[in-house]
Amino acid sequence: DGGITQSPKYLFRKEGQNVTLSCEQNLNHDAMYWYRQDPGQGLRLIYYSQIVNDFQKGDIAEGYSVSREKKESFPLTVTSAQKNPTAFYLCASSMVGLAGDQETQYFGPGTRLLVL
Amino acid sequence: QKEVEQDPGPLSVPEGAIVSLNCTYSNSAFQYFMWYRQYSRKGPELLMYTYSSGNKEDGRFTAQVDKSSKYISLFIRDSQPSDSATYLCAMTAVRGSNYQLIWGAGTKLIIKP
Repeated sequence: DGGITQSPKYLFRKEGQNVTLSCEQNLNHDAMYWYRQDPGQGLRLIYYSQIVNDFQKGDIAEGYSVSREKKESFPLTVTSAQKNPTAFYLCASSMVGLAGDQETQYFGPGTRLLVL
Repeated sequence: QKEVEQDPGPLSVPEGAIVSLNCTYSNSAFQYFMWYRQYSRKGPELLMYTYSSGNKEDGRFTAQVDKSSKYISLFIRDSQPSDSATYLCAMTAVRGSNYQLIWGAGTKLIIKP
């Protein structure tokens, strides 16, 4: 089955620790995205990547880092510089094209990050 | 001011009622309009996708776009308890050489049996 997988489902971070969230897709999509969702709020874009080895900051990139070494994978690292990391993190992917319908994004099941 | 405004609710209605969910937006350059449904602790899933002004129907769901008023709606007929979820609107805009999705905050919908 094609889809997006995220792991782990729950992640606990200690003070000063970097943690990495995994996102893998087998949809052959060019673009991948990371969002943060806080209770009662919409999705806020952290980073996105339209092509391998290239990525762009979103609206709230501070305290996060990403890499895109393979088309299928777009891991997100939450660094110790992110002072309020507790949130629900969603990874998404889409085809890239000039027609807007190719920007329809498909989401993984999410990772809930909690601070100890 | 946010580019996309959506009442977070919660909106609570009895089973079988017609539900109306709405978003307003400020940027007339938005081109494509989507509704996503998100169950608790899950990722959003695409429900409806529209481009032009007017109505688009899919089963019990109808998406409506009014570009002149910068207003979109999602109607759910014969609502079921399984429709209880958060509904997010999203719109595409060109930012530089890329498309970007702009999201509403989501409306939490509760269907009471």
